[in-house]
Amino acid sequence: DIQMTQSPSALSASVGDTVTITCRASQSISGWLAWYQQKPGKAPKVLIYKASTLQRGVPSRFSGSGSGTDFTLTISSLQPDDSATYYCQQYTSYPYTFGQGTKLEIK
Amino acid sequence: QVQLVQSGAEVKKPGSSVKVSCKASGDSFNTYALNWVRQAPGQGLEWMGGITPMFGPAKYAQKFQGRVTITADESTRTVYMDLNSLTSEDTAVYYCARGPPGFEILGWLDPWGQGTLVTVSP
Repeated sequence: DIQMTQSPSALSASVGDTVTITCRASQSISGWLAWYQQKPGKAPKVLIYKASTLQRGVPSRFSGSGSGTDFTLTISSLQPDDSATYYCQQYTSYPYTFGQGTKLEIK
Repeated sequence: QVQLVQSGAEVKKPGSSVKVSCKASGDSFNTYALNWVRQAPGQGLEWMGGITPMFGPAKYAQKFQGRVTITADESTRTVYMDLNSLTSEDTAVYYCARGPPGFEILGWLDPWGQGTLVTVSP
C-alpha cells in the first residue's frame, strides 16, 4: 500500500494569513492526488484533484501543486470558515490511502 | 446533481454484523464507482472498498477482505456495505462516496454521503 504522510499534524494561523500543508507519498503517484476539507461532524468535501485542479465552487484561495511524491496545499487569505481538518488522498492504485490529516485552527 | 443518502445509526454487539445502505439520486447510478470509507472517532479516513454497479464485482482493501461485502441493487439505486465479526475497533462513522465512472477507474471521491455511525458495544 502507498503511505501518505502529511505535515504538520496541526497548525494555527490568523485571518488573512497564508498557510501550506504538505503531503508526501511513499512512492511516486504522478499527479493522482486529491485534497479534502472536513469540518466536525460533516463528511469530507473535495477541494482539489489531479494535484492542482480546483473543484468547481471552491474559492480560488485554495491551490495545490506537486507531482511524483511531494505535494502541497496552500490556502491564502485565510478566513474563519477555513477552520477544518485537511486530508490528502492518492488514487494511483488500490487501496486508496489518505494522509493522517492536518487540523487547521484560525486564531 | 447526485446525492447520496445513507441509512441511520446502528448499535451492534461484538461478533455481530451490520449492513449500511447508501441510496443515490441524480446522475447515472450504475456506471459510477461507489466506495465505502470509514472514520474511527478522532481518527483519519480509511478506504474499505468499492463497486461499480454495472461492472461488479466489488474491490476490497486487504485489511477487510473476507469480512466486508459490498453489493449494489440497480433497481433501487442503492449500494450496501455489510461488515461482519464486529469488534469495538469497528466503531466508526461509515461514509459512502462516489468515484469516477467506469470499470476500475480510480479517482477522487465526490460527493459523499452524510455518514452512518456504527457503535459496537457489549
